[in-house]
Amino acid sequence: DAGVIQSPRHEVTEMGQEVTLRCKPISGHDYLFWYRQTMMRGLELLIYFNNNVPIDDSGMPEDRFSAKMPNASFSTLKIQPSEPRDSAVYFCASRPGRSYNSPLHFGNGTRLTVT
Amino acid sequence: SQQGEEDPQALSIQEGENATMNCSYKTSINNLQWYRQNSGRGLVHLILIRSNEREKHSGRLRVTLDTSKKSSSLLITASRAADTASYFCAISIQGAQKLVFGQGTRLTINP
Repeated sequence: DAGVIQSPRHEVTEMGQEVTLRCKPISGHDYLFWYRQTMMRGLELLIYFNNNVPIDDSGMPEDRFSAKMPNASFSTLKIQPSEPRDSAVYFCASRPGRSYNSPLHFGNGTRLTVT
Repeated sequence: SQQGEEDPQALSIQEGENATMNCSYKTSINNLQWYRQNSGRGLVHLILIRSNEREKHSGRLRVTLDTSKKSSSLLITASRAADTASYFCAISIQGAQKLVFGQGTRLTINP
């Protein structure tokens, strides 16, 4: 079990550029979550998917943010255009769909810096 | 806010002592979970306690849950330097599939 894989680990970009973060969940996990972590706001849920379908995107801060899950083994989080306040660590997590009582498995995150 | 609120925000103790962290929340839950995060890494699940359970143990970890007070505590016994990390409680909101995290407690174990 390779765990949840995120890429890149670090991303530095200039304001206005498009940023794409990638996630490969654990095989067989039906749920995929995107979180953002900052010192000020802690760990915020942005969006989650069930069987590749977005279920709740109420945490997506603005229309500049979009997420897709084209298949069970891949998801992207895109920011276009990026702004300095988007600087944060972005985590992807997955879990099996059997019940609420399954824990989340997190990737190691992508540290995004927008200058 | 639905998220858990943790207390204290930071805790520094000597190796060998016990560490206690608390979490309070405001909504009905399916379960409450505790996670650990080492610097620069993702969160790692430690223990899950269901809403109908009052206490659970796993190794040196002991978790309690009081649904009437909407609060939980995590006790780490006989702490080690390697326990230095941030600890987060997360609530699984009743009727929803999402997990909402608290702000975390930064634990430092001094050798």
